[in-house]
Amino acid sequence: KAGVTQTPRYLIKTRGQQVTLSCSPISGHRSVSWYQQTPGQGLQFLFEYFSETQRNKGNFPGRFSGRQFSNSRSEMNVSTLELGDSALYLCASRHRDNYEQYFGPGTRLTVT
Amino acid sequence: AQKVTQAQTEISVVEKEDVTLDCVYETRDTTYYLFWYKQPPSGELVFLIRRNSFDEQNEISGRYSWNFQKSTSSFNFTITASQVVDSAVYFCALSREGGSQGNLIFGKGTKLSVKP
Repeated sequence: KAGVTQTPRYLIKTRGQQVTLSCSPISGHRSVSWYQQTPGQGLQFLFEYFSETQRNKGNFPGRFSGRQFSNSRSEMNVSTLELGDSALYLCASRHRDNYEQYFGPGTRLTVT
Repeated sequence: AQKVTQAQTEISVVEKEDVTLDCVYETRDTTYYLFWYKQPPSGELVFLIRRNSFDEQNEISGRYSWNFQKSTSSFNFTITASQVVDSAVYFCALSREGGSQGNLIFGKGTKLSVKP
């Protein structure tokens, strides 16, 4: 079974631009969660989508948004990029409640 | 509030030594889940174990073992006879039951270096 895939793997953007990251979950998994990892703040939860609905949201500004499609693939969008948005963005998928999350390789975003 | 504390920021051992990574958690929930993940230099988080709050049995998987103690709110991870390939950052995480299970609360991680 293929694992969680994320595209692109690396991205360089300029302050003020916007970016869209993509995540394809493991086949059959309906839940997708997004996390931001930075050296200072560690791993922080952004949001979770389940069956195309946002189920949970972390403490991030409205510039961070996401969506999930009917095939469970998910995208997250960051608008008006700031230098502090430079991070590794990890996506994780889960079959359903009571099951563990499996992570993708991440997208490393650098904002200059 | 929920919180996970991994007090050990970095640990360095020599190959074949045993090493224990500490994890202390805080939660007011009676039902919750605890996890350990490994993050090698490649960056991908690798799932190691999930434990629910009602199951305090210790678990062993090869060279890995986990000690869950609700009385001390700890979920420690021991690697026996460590190997160079064990070098990675290890994260302990906590999640709530039900609809919030997609929200993992992570500790800051412990960087383990195993030297030959």
